[in-house]
Amino acid sequence: QSALTQPASVSGSPGQAITISCTGTRTDIGSYDYVSWYQQHPDKAPKLIIYDVTSRPSGSSNRFSGSKSGNTASLTISGLQVDDEADYYCCSFTDTRTYVFGTGTKVTVL
Amino acid sequence: EVQLEQSGAEVRKPGESLKISCKGSGYNFLNNWIGWVRQVPGKGLEWMAIVYPADSDVRYSPSFEGHVTISADKSINTAYLHWSSLKASDTAIYYCTKLANAAYMDFWGKGTTVIVSS
Repeated sequence: QSALTQPASVSGSPGQAITISCTGTRTDIGSYDYVSWYQQHPDKAPKLIIYDVTSRPSGSSNRFSGSKSGNTASLTISGLQVDDEADYYCCSFTDTRTYVFGTGTKVTVL
Repeated sequence: EVQLEQSGAEVRKPGESLKISCKGSGYNFLNNWIGWVRQVPGKGLEWMAIVYPADSDVRYSPSFEGHVTISADKSINTAYLHWSSLKASDTAIYYCTKLANAAYMDFWGKGTTVIVSS
């Protein structure tokens, strides 16, 4: 099972919106609406910010939104803030009933 | 409050065995999948394995199957990850995670650092 493909880095200015893509295949993202996104600040454990493609858990900012089209999922961060500077990972359920993470994206706030 | 309490950092030599643990509390441990995620220093997250404590059903990533063993002791609400023969490449932080609806990882432990060095 190969890792899902994410851009290595994305940057934006405070207040802007950025989008991170996550590309898989028909055996993972393309077949299931079980895509989740995680935010990881340096030296911290990852934190769930989006699940089931579009849902936000309690406590997750409404500036985070998710979507999916075909084999690609996306995370949009609107109204970019300094605290959004972190690594972001997508994750998908797969046809072997296991899970696979994306390669990770470093978000920089300019 | 859901908590995943992981065991402390470990230092081992190549070829040695190791078992790290994760104690779950504040939720129905028996009927929620629990698993492990690896993060090599400076690298990304890698999904390893999950176990369903109620019946010990397990699933492994092909990348890790055969090299680690996941298990759970439902009597003490604890999950384990075991290596019978460590390699230097096992040096990493290992996160314990609880799965919600068997679909996403809603809670994470603080991580257990494992260093394998001769």
